[in-house]
Formats: sequence, C-alpha cells, structure tokens
Amino acid sequence: KNQVEQSPQSLIILEGKNCTLQCNYTVSPFSNLRWYKQDTGRGPVSLTIMTFSENTKSNGRYTATLDADTKQSSLHITASQLSDSASYICVVSVYNQGGKLIFGQGTELSVKP
Amino acid sequence: DADVTQTPRNRITKTGKRIMLECSQTKGHDRMYWYRQDPGLGLRLIYYSFDVKDINKGEISDGYSVSRQAQAKFSLSLESAIPNQTALYFCATSDPGYYEQFFGPGTRLTVL
Repeated sequence: KNQVEQSPQSLIILEGKNCTLQCNYTVSPFSNLRWYKQDTGRGPVSLTIMTFSENTKSNGRYTATLDADTKQSSLHITASQLSDSASYICVVSVYNQGGKLIFGQGTELSVKP
Repeated sequence: DADVTQTPRNRITKTGKRIMLECSQTKGHDRMYWYRQDPGLGLRLIYYSFDVKDINKGEISDGYSVSRQAQAKFSLSLESAIPNQTALYFCATSDPGYYEQFFGPGTRLTVL
C-alpha cells in the first residue's frame, strides 16, 4: 500500500533555532517527492520538489534531502522565524499514474518567540 | 495562491442539503483536482480532470460529483450532504509535464 508517514506529528521550537522534519514513504513506483507548507486557513504551497536523481534541494532557509534507497526524506529549517509556524506536508508522486499524489499527514510546527 | 480561487470560503449547511463548491483558475492549466482534508489525515483525492471531457474518480468519490464547465472551472457537488463530509476542501491545478500542483485557499464546509 502506498503510504507516506511523517514525524514528529508536532514540534515546538524557539525562534532562531533549527529543526528537522522527517518523512518515510512506501510509494512505488516513485516519481518525485515534494514538501509543502500550509499556513492555517490556507492552501498548501510548494517548497521543494525532488526527483529520483536529486538528493538535496534548497529554497532559502529550507533544505530538503532525499534518500531514494531508504525511502526517506527530511526538511531542515534553518534559523527559524515566527512565520515558519505552519503544517509541513510531505507528498510523493506515483510514477505514470497521471500525477497521483500520496500525502503525509503533516508535521505541525510552532515557532515561539 | 490568487490564481486559484474557491467559493464559498466557508459554508454551514444541514444534513440532506445539496451543496456546490466552485473552483476557478487563471493559470491556464488543463488539470484540476478536488481534495478534502480532515484533522490528522493527509489530503485525499476526491475527483480529478485532465481536460474538459475527462473526469476521473479519486480515492474517496462516493457521495460527491463534479462538473468541468470549462478549462478554468471545476465544481464539486454534494448531492445530499451528511455530517461526515464536514471537512476542508481544496481545489488544485497542474500543468502536464510539470510536477507542481497549485492549491486554492480552501472551503471550510460544516454539515450539521
């Protein structure tokens, strides 16, 4: 069964600190992996997208890694800001199935001053 | 993303009522999707459409129907709403050959 599991479910950090969110997946065949940020009351917004051959990608203070062998990904946030408070969703695309996406349940990040 | 709009943004209705949620996009994308999001669960696909003449069921289509009126418009209907359809509903679009899906702001639906 295609699944995406994220950990932790929730996380509280102090402003300025770094944090790492985890994503494990059992999706086959794999096409690509995306990290989305979802602010409360808004739709998800893409942060990074990685294909099978990419093992790291950055977007400002966000850096995603992908290990296709172990089927794991992480999202590292550097020097967190209050505006980073949001849900972070790991999404894996299934190859050759018309863009079918498997969504993780998200990690709820709260950045405190 | 302002390029994908959803109406209404919030709706409270009663069991048994017919409800329509509307989605419009100005991105010029052919592909459109409807998802629902429940607390503690990932987004789940209800229906998707790759062009005006193409409609496909997602993993949780029971109790829902859709209409693709034009390339830019994709509507989701609940023929007879029930309380367990209370959720946050998102419309999304994508361009063939491009990986990213662009989401609307969501519609919060409450069925009493």
